[in-house]
Amino acid sequence: AQSVTQPDIHITVSEGASLELRCNYSYGATPYLFWYVQSPGQGLQLLLKYFSGDTLVQGIKGFEAEFKRSQSSFNLRKPSVHWSDAAEYFCACSGGYQKVTFGIGTKLQVIP
Amino acid sequence: EAGVTQFPSHSVIEKGQTVTLRCDPISGHDNLYWYRRVMGKEIKFLLHFVKESKQDESGMPNNRFLAERTGGTYSTLKVQPAELEDSGVYFCASSQDRGWETQYFGPGTRLLVL
Repeated sequence: AQSVTQPDIHITVSEGASLELRCNYSYGATPYLFWYVQSPGQGLQLLLKYFSGDTLVQGIKGFEAEFKRSQSSFNLRKPSVHWSDAAEYFCACSGGYQKVTFGIGTKLQVIP
Repeated sequence: EAGVTQFPSHSVIEKGQTVTLRCDPISGHDNLYWYRRVMGKEIKFLLHFVKESKQDESGMPNNRFLAERTGGTYSTLKVQPAELEDSGVYFCASSQDRGWETQYFGPGTRLLVL
């Protein structure tokens, strides 16, 4: 069965600092990988996705993620965090059968 | 274009009562999904409709949960009778037939069973 691990439940960064959110997945083959963000009172918004090809994926809002097969990881990065990035971030994977498996989420706090 | 909408946004009921959640997907999206997040846990898949047919209901916790999508448009998820462990946030998502991987999520319904 596929699974997703987000080891950091809470992260606090200063505005303008760089950000990296960790994600590890477990799946027999290369899954489809996603990062979603949920702002307070909102639904989940897709930030980016990886299916194949270039392992560095660009997303919306200045986010990027890198797929590393050897480490079964798909970490999310942003070079400079803005206060509006404070939200909860979910890593997810799918085996291609449309059922998406989510990690537990990482809450990001941005301090001035 | 309207996004995925869910009703109600919040529901507080007593154990043993019935609650029905509604999801209106994006117009034209054949795929509709239900997910649930229990507090402190992962978002878990419940089931997937393709039009009015249940494609995958492997995540439904038990027979107290009934999902329908008559006519292939909106969907309802009924919990009867509700138990304390059913509390959580129920998300609905929809996607197109082509481009299924981009699932658009609604804001969720927060259910509290007392």
